[in-house]
Amino acid sequence: DVKVTQSSRYLVKRTGEKVFLECVQDMDHENMFWYRQDPGLGLRLIYFSYDVKMKEKGDIPEGYSVSREKKERFSLILESASTNQTSMYLCASTRVSGGLAVLLGAFFGPGTRLTVL
Amino acid sequence: KQEVTQIPAALSVPEGENLVLNCSFTDSAIYNLQWFRQDPGKGLTSLLLIQSSQREQTSGRLNASLDKSSGRSTLYIAASQPGDSATYLCAVEWVVRTSYDKVIFGPGTSLSVIP
Repeated sequence: DVKVTQSSRYLVKRTGEKVFLECVQDMDHENMFWYRQDPGLGLRLIYFSYDVKMKEKGDIPEGYSVSREKKERFSLILESASTNQTSMYLCASTRVSGGLAVLLGAFFGPGTRLTVL
Repeated sequence: KQEVTQIPAALSVPEGENLVLNCSFTDSAIYNLQWFRQDPGKGLTSLLLIQSSQREQTSGRLNASLDKSSGRSTLYIAASQPGDSATYLCAVEWVVRTSYDKVIFGPGTSLSVIP
């Protein structure tokens, strides 16, 4: 019954390290999203992808990049981790392509809690 | 500027009480509004989605209503149970004609149901 999985539940990295967060969905969804969640700030969109090899910047893309080589997999990359990137990272996917009805049928992964020391 | 707020930030009630969670948004021209539940340290689980043409949605003990003109949605939980303890988030979606839809999540209401 697993739909959206994330590679790690907890991750501890050091400042300056390159960090990869992986997300896989098994529902053949076109859209995939990366959010970060911080206390008092809610969920903020980092990047999203509406197709293989396509990506769009969200509200807070600085310091992050993404990769989508296969439809089911969407990776978030921290090129040089910094302490202000300590956060909970959530991946989501939806079945509707394009920009319409982004929330419709959205499934979220369990999250990765990243700590950067 | 579009914003989403939720009141209260935290709520503690005895088991069996009916309760209401509130979500407010600026810019009433929304496309969808969705309520999610988040258990501590976990991802989000979708509860109810209300499309702009709808006034309410129901699932079991949950009822969500939408009043676009006043920029408000409420989530009503009947006969609350300890298992309802979680953070409840609302998310609002607006159509952006020249780009992809804008989605903003509220900060959430942390609910604790005391046995």
